[in-house]
Amino acid sequence: GQSLEQPSEVTAVEGAIVQINCTYQTSGFYGLSWYQQHDGGAPTFLSYNALDGLEETGRFSSFLSRSDSYGYLLLQELQMKDSASYFCATNYGGATNKLIFGTGTLLAVQP
Amino acid sequence: EPEVTQTPSHQVTQMGQEVILRCVPISNHLYFYWYRQILGQKVEFLVSFYNNEISEKSEIFDDQFSVERPDGSNFTLKIRSTKLEDSAMYFCASRGEATGGRSPLHFGNGTRLTVT
Repeated sequence: GQSLEQPSEVTAVEGAIVQINCTYQTSGFYGLSWYQQHDGGAPTFLSYNALDGLEETGRFSSFLSRSDSYGYLLLQELQMKDSASYFCATNYGGATNKLIFGTGTLLAVQP
Repeated sequence: EPEVTQTPSHQVTQMGQEVILRCVPISNHLYFYWYRQILGQKVEFLVSFYNNEISEKSEIFDDQFSVERPDGSNFTLKIRSTKLEDSAMYFCASRGEATGGRSPLHFGNGTRLTVT
């Protein structure tokens, strides 16, 4: 089967750094993506790791370790607008090219 | 920037009724998807559509569900006889080239379906 587990909630203060972890069990793995969702709206793409290591995009970084079936999203210099749900997702190739999403982490940024 | 559009934003229907949720994916995209999200839960895969046919469907996507791409722009999800447990946000998504995660999914704003 496929499963991706994340902490359900994380709280941090403005300006801080927060790490959201994701552990997965899946087959046919093509990489790990991260999406952000505000208030039940459209999920939006943040980052993608196909290979082990760190990918950096501005204040956001994502890490993947295939051998550990583990990844994380790192958010730096937190802002109030970063309060949202964050989902890791595994990518599949072939004719489907689908994403399977994790359980999601609700990040609350406090002043 | 091009975007995926969905209509209606909110649909209320009675149990047993048919509903059609509509989507216009990004015009040059090749892969099309429907996902659903029950309030407070994760985003669940329903179906993928490629080359004018279903490429994969999940266990959720039973005989009550169907998808169509009737022309070059629209992509619809039909639920034949709605049940209370079909109440959820339904997201349409599309993606471009077959480059895995480096071609991200673009989601619409969703249709909130309420079955009474």
